[in-house]
Amino acid sequence: DAGVTQSPTHLIKTRGQHVTLRCSPISGHKSVSWYQQVLGQGPQFIFQYYEKEERGRGNFPDRFSARQFPNYSSELNVNALLLGDSALYLCASSLVYGQPQHFGDGTRLSIL
Amino acid sequence: DAKTTQPTSMDCAEGRAANLPCNHSTISGNEYVYWYRQIHSQGPQYIIHGLKNNETNEMASLIITEDRKSSTLILPHATLRDTAVYYCIVRGNFGNEKLTFGTGTRLTIIP
Repeated sequence: DAGVTQSPTHLIKTRGQHVTLRCSPISGHKSVSWYQQVLGQGPQFIFQYYEKEERGRGNFPDRFSARQFPNYSSELNVNALLLGDSALYLCASSLVYGQPQHFGDGTRLSIL
Repeated sequence: DAKTTQPTSMDCAEGRAANLPCNHSTISGNEYVYWYRQIHSQGPQYIIHGLKNNETNEMASLIITEDRKSSTLILPHATLRDTAVYYCIVRGNFGNEKLTFGTGTRLTIIP
């Protein structure tokens, strides 16, 4: 079975632009979470969605938003990009609430 | 979620058992101990988790002390491919599912 897939794998944007990152969970997984990993640090939690509803939000500004679709795939949107948004964005899925999360290999976003 | 403390780095000889410690002295009764690892340029990989009993799977063993204030991840026969950053995380299985990653232990397997 395919693991968590994320697209694109790499992306370059300039300050002020917006970006949409996409995630397809493992087949049958209903929960999707997003994390941001800045170079040299551990991943930081951004959002969690379960059954298309937001179930958790980390300490990120309102420029960050996400949604989950009926097929359980998810998008992360970031508006008004800042240099500090340069990071690896990771998506994780789990079968149901409370089960281990499995991560994709992320989208590396660079802001110029 | 409870905070964890891990050594910054460790070395282990190839073929030997790698024992990675983690302290979580403020863990509460309904919180699980999770271990993930991250190999350079990849997403974190789930290894194992447990509540209070020792656990074993095809990748590793997890030993949790009786008072649950610390645990050890054991890779029985380390290979070069086990070189990675290992994260010990404490998380409840109800409510917010977020994983709180610290800085982890950078494990280097020496040939």
